[in-house]
Amino acid sequence: EIVLTQSPTTMAASPGEKVTITCRASSSVSYMHWFQQKSGTSPKPWIYDTSKLASGVPDRFSGSGSGTSYSLTISSMEAEDAATYYCLQRSSYPWTFGGGTKLELK
Amino acid sequence: QVQLQQSGAELAKPGSSVKISCKASGYTFTSYYISWIKQTTGQGLEYIGYINTGSGGTNYNEKFKGKATLTVDKSSSTAFMQLSSLTPDDSAVYYCARGRYFDFWGPGTMVTVSS
Repeated sequence: EIVLTQSPTTMAASPGEKVTITCRASSSVSYMHWFQQKSGTSPKPWIYDTSKLASGVPDRFSGSGSGTSYSLTISSMEAEDAATYYCLQRSSYPWTFGGGTKLELK
Repeated sequence: QVQLQQSGAELAKPGSSVKISCKASGYTFTSYYISWIKQTTGQGLEYIGYINTGSGGTNYNEKFKGKATLTVDKSSSTAFMQLSSLTPDDSAVYYCARGRYFDFWGPGTMVTVSS
């Protein structure tokens, strides 16, 4: 089973600040997918196939990476971006999620 | 619009079983698999498996074999997940999601296992 380790586990960012969340895989994966979850709601698809934004996702978000290291970046933090972000790999069965990064507004 | 409606919260005793439903609407049910995901505070998100809504074929995470059983009723566009031999470790929120890309999620069903 591929283990995904996200860092940091929690962080706070000020409005306008650049944010980077990292997801490291225990073995190489072809793509990484990201989900956003706000308290009390279901996860939402956010970035798929490493760098493609899901429908409705603001273009201040971007995704990148390859092999065992992937990242989600917010170019300029906004209040609505406060949430928990999870990475997901579907390259190897069983599909596995990262432990999540809780992003708060400073 | 695509919607996945899940059944309500369950309170179950250890050793018993529960069956959660996920009713789909707003799209052709048999065109997409239904996947199931478990969320706990401690373990985060865990992928359980998926069911081919057309054929009924299933694919399980090895960890959940013997624990979860996925079925489907095409006539009502509803997928089901039965959890058996419940223990407190099965207490969680269980989500259904559309397809293998999880592009739409249900609101979740909270299962609490307690004597």
